[in-house]
Amino acid sequence: DIQMTQSPSTLSASVGDRVTITCRASQPIDKWVAWFQQNPGKAPKLLLYRASTLDTGVPSRFSGSGSGTEFTLTISSLQPDDFATYYCQHYNTYSGTFGQGTKVE
Amino acid sequence: QVQLVESGGGVVQPGTSLRLSCTASGFIFRTYAMYWVRQAPGKGLEWVAVISYDRTYEYYADSVEGRFIISRDNSKNRLYLQMNSLRPEDSGLYYCARDHWANCGGDCYSSPKYWGQGTLVTVSS
Repeated sequence: DIQMTQSPSTLSASVGDRVTITCRASQPIDKWVAWFQQNPGKAPKLLLYRASTLDTGVPSRFSGSGSGTEFTLTISSLQPDDFATYYCQHYNTYSGTFGQGTKVE
Repeated sequence: QVQLVESGGGVVQPGTSLRLSCTASGFIFRTYAMYWVRQAPGKGLEWVAVISYDRTYEYYADSVEGRFIISRDNSKNRLYLQMNSLRPEDSGLYYCARDHWANCGGDCYSSPKYWGQGTLVTVSS
């Protein structure tokens, strides 16, 4: 099974900061990675898919990159609504492994 | 708009069974693969199972394989998760989620896009 290792687990930042979260796959997975944002008590929200494609309505300060085994989520200028937990996910037809999550505080 | 409403959660003893339901609306249910994803209290997301839009395949996480069964009734716009031989580590919030793209399966890979608010399962003696 493919494992997704996400880092850091916690990230301290301020409004306006540039923030980067990394996800490493245990084997090459092309670009089959999605990124989700989850606020406390809420369901996850899809931010990006196919590693770098922004989902509809997601602000352009969010971006994603990577292919193969290393992927990054970048928030170019952190906004108050962005303090949340972020998850990467490798997806294909038969599985959907999540990373452990990164809490941005 | 897309709505997913889970139900059926509760407090049960280890070794028993529970059936979760998810009622979908606002889209053509029979054209989307559906997922169950769970989250233990204070923990991260765990993918549980997927069923194709046309019920030609189902896949499960290793942690639930052989104990859980995902199913759907396209005539009722409902998704189900039959959970048997429950363990304390199965406790958590169970989310129903819809695939991003319609008619996606096989070589078409897609991630969950729309999520319900979850139903809480607690397995405890």
